[in-house]
Amino acid sequence: AQKVTQAQTEISVVEKEDVTLDCVYETRDTTYYLFWYKQPPSGELVFLIRRNSFDEQNEISGRYSWNFQKSTSSFNFTITASQVVDSAVYFCALSEKRRTYKYIFGTGTRLKVLA
Amino acid sequence: EAGVVQSPRYKIIEKKQPVAFWCNPISGHNTLYWYRQNLGQGPELLIRYENEEAVDDSQLPKDRFSAERLKGVDSTLKIQPAELGDSAVYLCASSLQYQETQYFGPGTRLLVL
Repeated sequence: AQKVTQAQTEISVVEKEDVTLDCVYETRDTTYYLFWYKQPPSGELVFLIRRNSFDEQNEISGRYSWNFQKSTSSFNFTITASQVVDSAVYFCALSEKRRTYKYIFGTGTRLKVLA
Repeated sequence: EAGVVQSPRYKIIEKKQPVAFWCNPISGHNTLYWYRQNLGQGPELLIRYENEEAVDDSQLPKDRFSAERLKGVDSTLKIQPAELGDSAVYLCASSLQYQETQYFGPGTRLLVL
């Protein structure tokens, strides 16, 4: 069965702290895709990254970095030197190759960055 | 490039009233999705269109929900009659055909009183 677990419901950090958002997934497929989306108070889901199951290379984009580990079925997201503008709900999602359009979302992690 | 456009952004209605949401996808995106997002949850797919054809509507409550995508561009999602439990955010997303990444609009926040 497909499942995405974001165990952290809410995290609060002080500006400039680093923060890691956890994502654990379950799938029986060998080919799948993982995503992170940001949902600010405005409501729009903003695409951040897509990772293919056959590419375990970690990625860094500015202050954002992602750690994909198939051995632990995790796809964690780290924000370095957090800023107030990073405050949002972050969703991790999974789709399988045989049904790439069907996203399975986690319940999201609300990040609050305090000035 | 313009993103996915949705209107209205907010809607408050009384139960048993009808309501409609409109979505204009990113130009060139053949695939369009409607999602419902309940408070504190991730979005859940209601229906997916490939051009004009609804190819997956298995999660759409067909007794009261309907959708259309005439001409394969804009789409409308309708609820008639609305129930209290329909209060949620309705998100529209689009993607290039057979591509994995979906791009979302700002959503319509519906409150049914």
